[in-house]
Amino acid sequence: QKEVEQDPGPLSVPEGAIVSLNCTYSNSAFQYFMWYRQYSRKGPELLMYTYSSGNKEDGRFTAQVDKSSKYISLFIRDSQPSDSATYLCAMKGDSGGSNYKLTFGKGTLLTVNP
Amino acid sequence: EAEVAQSPRYKITEKSQAVAFWCDPISGHATLYWYRQILGQGPELLVQFQDESVVDDSQLPKDRFSAERLKGVDSTLKIQPAELGDSAMYLCASSLGTGGWETQYFGPGTRLLVL
Repeated sequence: QKEVEQDPGPLSVPEGAIVSLNCTYSNSAFQYFMWYRQYSRKGPELLMYTYSSGNKEDGRFTAQVDKSSKYISLFIRDSQPSDSATYLCAMKGDSGGSNYKLTFGKGTLLTVNP
Repeated sequence: EAEVAQSPRYKITEKSQAVAFWCDPISGHATLYWYRQILGQGPELLVQFQDESVVDDSQLPKDRFSAERLKGVDSTLKIQPAELGDSAMYLCASSLGTGGWETQYFGPGTRLLVL
């Protein structure tokens, strides 16, 4: 079992839909949770960054972390064709420990159709 | 806005040849990372530098891969000899430090195809 599991999709939605992307993880030492967006043939760019449990909102994007369930989510409201990309979850533990390396999920390929 | 630079963007080579990738991190970033991303997978860390020193190269196949960051600024990743299984995207990232909140900024990557 990989430390971080993410459904690779693909996920196809109509413009304006609410998108839900999820990851599960097994390492309880993970404290920092991130979502990266990667357009085709480009490097990942950071979208959201959350520490421990809770919610964080930034415009149309909301990140949720439930450490008790080892489950993180990214919600995209009013999805746009420009949101079409691969979304990667990533997580790490505190620096200085053995879990300090950023561990990525496989990524979910999202297509938003006009 | 400062960015991580990488070159070349694309590289096609034949197996058993040598290839090299270059990365210039964001100015002032002490920590530099090289990742490999196989198609359909997330990036996996190959090597991490703090200034010019290697912090972690546990996942670097040292029989064929080498990495250096001689002056603690730009970095080179080399593969010799290349194998078919090395075909992947090689990503460079940098961050100010290694603290929990430190954000890693990724470059555009070098896509390698080994024939």
